[in-house]
Amino acid sequence: KQEVTQIPAALSVPEGENLVLNCSFTDSAIYNLQWFRQDPGKGLTSLLLIQSSQREQTSGRLNASLDKSSGRSTLYIAASQPGDSATYLCAVYPMDSNYQLIWGAGTKLIIKP
Amino acid sequence: DAGVIQSPRHEVTEMGQEVTLRCKPISGHDYLFWYRQTMMRGLELLIYFNNNVPIDDSGMPEDRFSAKMPNASFSTLKIQPSEPRDSAVYFCASSYTSIGGETQYFGPGTRLLVL
Repeated sequence: KQEVTQIPAALSVPEGENLVLNCSFTDSAIYNLQWFRQDPGKGLTSLLLIQSSQREQTSGRLNASLDKSSGRSTLYIAASQPGDSATYLCAVYPMDSNYQLIWGAGTKLIIKP
Repeated sequence: DAGVIQSPRHEVTEMGQEVTLRCKPISGHDYLFWYRQTMMRGLELLIYFNNNVPIDDSGMPEDRFSAKMPNASFSTLKIQPSEPRDSAVYFCASSYTSIGGETQYFGPGTRLLVL
């Protein structure tokens, strides 16, 4: 059974620092891995989607990598800003999942001005 | 496009009452998902539809929960009777295709509190 783990559960860093959020999954048979952002009281917004055949995706200051063989993904945020404060969730699309995403519990990120 | 629309945004009700949550997916999307999010259990998929047909309702917690999608632009999630343990944020999401290719677009959620 696919399981997704995100460490740490919470992270607080000063503004301007580069940081890495981690996501691990137990079964490498996936279609893709996605990173989402959730602001307090809001829904989830898709940030990056990495297909199983890809190694990384970039969007602005965000870069997500995927290592299927080791069951790991990282979300790199460059030059962090207070507006980056949110909860970041990763989710995988297993090939045998009956078409549903398997979610991590999220990392709550706080960027201190 | 206005994105996925959910109503109400907040709902406070008493135990035993019927609760109906509503969702309008993004036009043209053929998959619709209902999720529940709590601190204890995180994000859980309750049910999803493809072309208005329920495909997998294995996440629906019990018979008190039911969902319908009478047409491509409207879905409801009903809880009858409601219980305090149903208190959570309920999200609706839609996508163009669910088979490994596309992301899901989430609504703002309905915060349900059952007293």
